[in-house]
Amino acid sequence: SQQGEEDPQALSIQEGENATMNCSYKTSINNLQWYRQNSGRGLVHLILIRSNEREKHSGRLRVTLDTSKKSSSLLITASRAADTASYFCASISGYALNFGKGTSLLVTP
Amino acid sequence: DAGVIQSPRHEVTEMGQEVTLRCKPISGHNSLFWYRQTMMRGLELLIYFNNNVPIDDSGMPEDRFSAKMPNASFSTLKIQPSEPRDSAVYFCASSLPGSYEQYFGPGTRLTVT
Repeated sequence: SQQGEEDPQALSIQEGENATMNCSYKTSINNLQWYRQNSGRGLVHLILIRSNEREKHSGRLRVTLDTSKKSSSLLITASRAADTASYFCASISGYALNFGKGTSLLVTP
Repeated sequence: DAGVIQSPRHEVTEMGQEVTLRCKPISGHNSLFWYRQTMMRGLELLIYFNNNVPIDDSGMPEDRFSAKMPNASFSTLKIQPSEPRDSAVYFCASSLPGSYEQYFGPGTRLTVT
């Protein structure tokens, strides 16, 4: 079942701007992951944040996690046209990944 | 490493026909997942194998769907008989022992007319 819900569903920005996507989930988690999906391709793992972490960085990506609000955010700084893709959060409880429906990000030159 | 390999990449079939989707996980990965992606329902976990054993098949829609993993390097997802509502992209993913990170294949786009 779909557990994560991303917000917004679609986001359009210009190159160089920052993109922020939010995700909410419903049940307790071990960790939360973010994945990217380019059109017509499989999902690619971006970053994992554990339930005892509040913030994590990887290159131009910054992820936050608020377990009290059951929410996470993904910030992409200095966006590029190549960042155009759909982004999914996936909460994990046990072994199963529960994906949201994703945020579609369009970065225009 | 070639990553997770899925075949075919595209499948078009008529209602009532049998469809078999194939997956080769990354060598050394002991967990394998089958997902289905549609616009309406997003990504849904269909079945999860660990060490070739089906652990959770609660996501399999109905008896028309079956999955096997005869060995560590091969899995199949079969739909018999297929229906138009089965049209979707089917992804296979695998992961290393003890890792939560999943590696996805390119998917099989299934169209049932």
